[in-house]
Amino acid sequence: QPVVTQEPSLTVSPGGTVTLTCDSSTGPVTSGHYTYWFQQKPGQAPRTLIYDTTNKHSWTPARFSGSLLGGKAALTLSGAQPEDEAEYYCFLSYSATWVFGGGTKLTVL
Amino acid sequence: EVQLVESGGGLVQPGGSLRLSCAASGFTFSDYSMTWVRQAPGKGLEWLSYISSSGTPIFYTDSVKGRFTISRDNAKNSLYLQMNSLRAEDTAVYYCARNCRGTCWFEYWGQGSLVTVSS
Repeated sequence: QPVVTQEPSLTVSPGGTVTLTCDSSTGPVTSGHYTYWFQQKPGQAPRTLIYDTTNKHSWTPARFSGSLLGGKAALTLSGAQPEDEAEYYCFLSYSATWVFGGGTKLTVL
Repeated sequence: EVQLVESGGGLVQPGGSLRLSCAASGFTFSDYSMTWVRQAPGKGLEWLSYISSSGTPIFYTDSVKGRFTISRDNAKNSLYLQMNSLRAEDTAVYYCARNCRGTCWFEYWGQGSLVTVSS
């Protein structure tokens, strides 16, 4: 079973920019992993922000963007807002198995 | 409006069984593949199972293979997860999710159903 690794925690200042990353134990993350990014706030169900590495849903704030960076998947938040404080999970697709990362707790402070 | 409502959770003894349901509304259920995900208390998300719009193919994560069975009834707009041989480590909130009409997953999520496995 592949292991997907994220930063356990990150802090960003209001209005600042932060990049969360998602690493795979099997090697570089590519477009073939169809990376997803989710936001989850306490007591709530997850919400999907990014799918297929870079694509946004209609509800995804424009300040969020997905990319590939140095062999990892990345979620960049530009212009952080207090309401962006949450847990963020990535999700990678493999051959007939799919794996979530452990999550990054993002603090806006 | 797309709605997914999970039900069937509760307290069950180790070794017992439980069947979760996910009632779908606001869209043509038979057009979409579906997924189950769980989250243990204070822990991260874990992908469990996938079922296509027609019922095959089906995929499971290794930790539930042989114990859990995903199914759907397109006539009843419902998704199910039959859970057998339950263990303490299966204690979690279980979410159903609707995938996209195309190839993307997790377009919409239910609010979750709590399953507690304890004696």
